[in-house]
Order: sequence, then C-alpha cells, then structure tokens
Amino acid sequence: EPEVTQTPSHQVTQMGQEVILRCVPISNHLYFYWYRQILGQKVEFLVSFYNNEISEKSEIFDDQFSVERPDGSNFTLKIRSTKLEDSAMYFCASGLRYNEQFFGPGTRLTVL
Amino acid sequence: AQKVTQAQTEISVVEKEDVTLDCVYETRDTTYYLFWYKQPPSGELVFLIRRNSFDEQNEISGRYSWNFQKSTSSFNFTITASQVVDSAVYFCALSEATDSWGKLQFGAGTQVVVTP
Repeated sequence: EPEVTQTPSHQVTQMGQEVILRCVPISNHLYFYWYRQILGQKVEFLVSFYNNEISEKSEIFDDQFSVERPDGSNFTLKIRSTKLEDSAMYFCASGLRYNEQFFGPGTRLTVL
Repeated sequence: AQKVTQAQTEISVVEKEDVTLDCVYETRDTTYYLFWYKQPPSGELVFLIRRNSFDEQNEISGRYSWNFQKSTSSFNFTITASQVVDSAVYFCALSEATDSWGKLQFGAGTQVVVTP
C-alpha cells in the first residue's frame, strides 16, 4: 500500500541554521500539507499546497518558512533561520481529494 | 476560536474495560468532515475514520465504534474491551467544506492509558 514518507526521521540543528524537511507524498495525490506538533500539544496546520502553489497558510507560517515541490515527487519544508520554538514534530500529509489526508511518520526537529 | 474540543485530557482504564472519548465540534458549514487519528508512543498519526456531515450512521470497525450526533455536534469514539496496545493519544479533527483546501483542525487530544 502506498504511503507518505519523510526524511530525516530526526534532525538536530543549531539555532539560526537553515533546515529542509523532505516528504515524498503518495504519487497520484494532488493536495499536500505540512503540520507541526510541539511536544505534548495538538497538531497544528502550517500550509497547504495545490497546483504548484500555496493554497492556504496559517499564522505560524511566516517568512521564515517556505515550501517547494521541486521535481514533481518531493515536497519540502524549509525553515530559513531556526529558533528554539521551532522544535517540534513536523508532519507531511497528502490527499487525492481535499477531504482526505494521509500522514507521513513525521520528522522530529530539535533546535539547540 | 476552538473548533474541536476534546475535554478529556487523559483517561486511564484497566484492560478489557470500554472507554469512550468525547469530541465536540463547532462549524457553520453544512458540509464538513470529521476524523479520528491515533498517535501511539512512536509518534506517527494513524488514520482511524473519516465521516462526512451527511452520514449520521454510526460505524463499527472491530473493537472501535463511532457515534456521530449532529444535534449535539459530537463525534464520540468508543473502544470496546480495551487492550494495552490501545494506549495512545487520540485526536479528533474537523475539515470544513468552505475551506476547500481541506486543512484539518485538530482537538487537543485525549491520552488513553490501558493498564494490564
């Protein structure tokens, strides 16, 4: 059964460094999402991506964040200059339709 | 405003007991979707069910069952004869049709602890 994959599973970085989190959505899906979950808290929406552009973003998704689908298979989330409060689990999700979402296993980002 | 409320922070049960998780949602849309996800200690989000607002039939899948009541804006989840492997955080989520990009709005989650 096809599934969403994410790499790396755990990323440790220094404050101020750039990180790129990678996701490979399910191949025929059209809708792509990033969510984050700070430890012990609920899952929060960051951004949705459709037809090669951002369709919606949350207040969390400020200028430090960007997304790309560079080659038709990968879907990346970049954080330009990480802060301590960016430490969280980041989930990628994809769906064939807007009302379904399959989640990847997550990338745990630790900012020191 | 909180769109999805899971009032129970943690529920502890002994194996074989039933456990019901409450989820209350708020929306003005007539078309919307409700979801339950399980997050085991390993951290991934496991999809359990999706329900659309026009389908109020209760659903049973093995030991899991869901009770959708539009009149009270609730979508409760029951685990029958709980097992230790059911220990996890369970999230209820809402997707509104007016938000055609489908973002999920999650509740705070309920931690279920099943002890042998």
